[in-house]
Amino acid sequence: QKEVEQNSGPLSVPEGAIASLNCTYSDRGSQSFFWYRQYSGKSPELIMFIYSNGDKEDGRFTAQLNKASQYVSLLIRDSQPSDSATYLCAVFGGGTSYGKLTFGQGTILTVHP
Amino acid sequence: ETGVTQSPTHLIKTRGQQVTLRCSSQSGHNTVSWYQQALGQGPQFIFQYYREEENGRGNFPPRFSGLQFPNYSSELNVNALELDDSALYLCASSLGQGPGELFFGEGSRLTVL
Repeated sequence: QKEVEQNSGPLSVPEGAIASLNCTYSDRGSQSFFWYRQYSGKSPELIMFIYSNGDKEDGRFTAQLNKASQYVSLLIRDSQPSDSATYLCAVFGGGTSYGKLTFGQGTILTVHP
Repeated sequence: ETGVTQSPTHLIKTRGQQVTLRCSSQSGHNTVSWYQQALGQGPQFIFQYYREEENGRGNFPPRFSGLQFPNYSSELNVNALELDDSALYLCASSLGQGPGELFFGEGSRLTVL
């Protein structure tokens, strides 16, 4: 079983729609959860992080965490063509290696006009 | 721009050779993490350096080694290159005070023939 698994893509949504990206993780002791965006040929950039159960909103982005179900999601409202990218879910499992994140395989999102 | 610079950006090596990749971290960041990203996959954690000491390692063999210098820049060395080492190598810097935002460089694309 993969440690961090994301919904298989690619995901295609029309401009203005809500894009929903999902991620499950296997380590119940995981502490922090991150969503990174990676444009083709570029490096990952952090969109949001969430530590506590519930929702966290930042502009058009909402991260949702359910530790009991070991599930984290990212909603993108009013999707724009510029949101087209690969979205990576990453998990910090604890310990002192704060740079050690476990990434999922990524979900490719395409927003078409 | 994250302020993290990596060199070289692209390189081609043959099987059995050795390679050194370099990373300059963002100003003030004392922690550097290295990741390997194969095509179509999420980044995989190689190791982390904090104040010139390795303080976390992923599931990579000993032929992957690294250094961090007093100015917090870092090197990744890979000996006895194998075809499967072909990947994008990402360096990320952070403040090292807790799991949080990793600032990624643009990566070094290594091709092993």
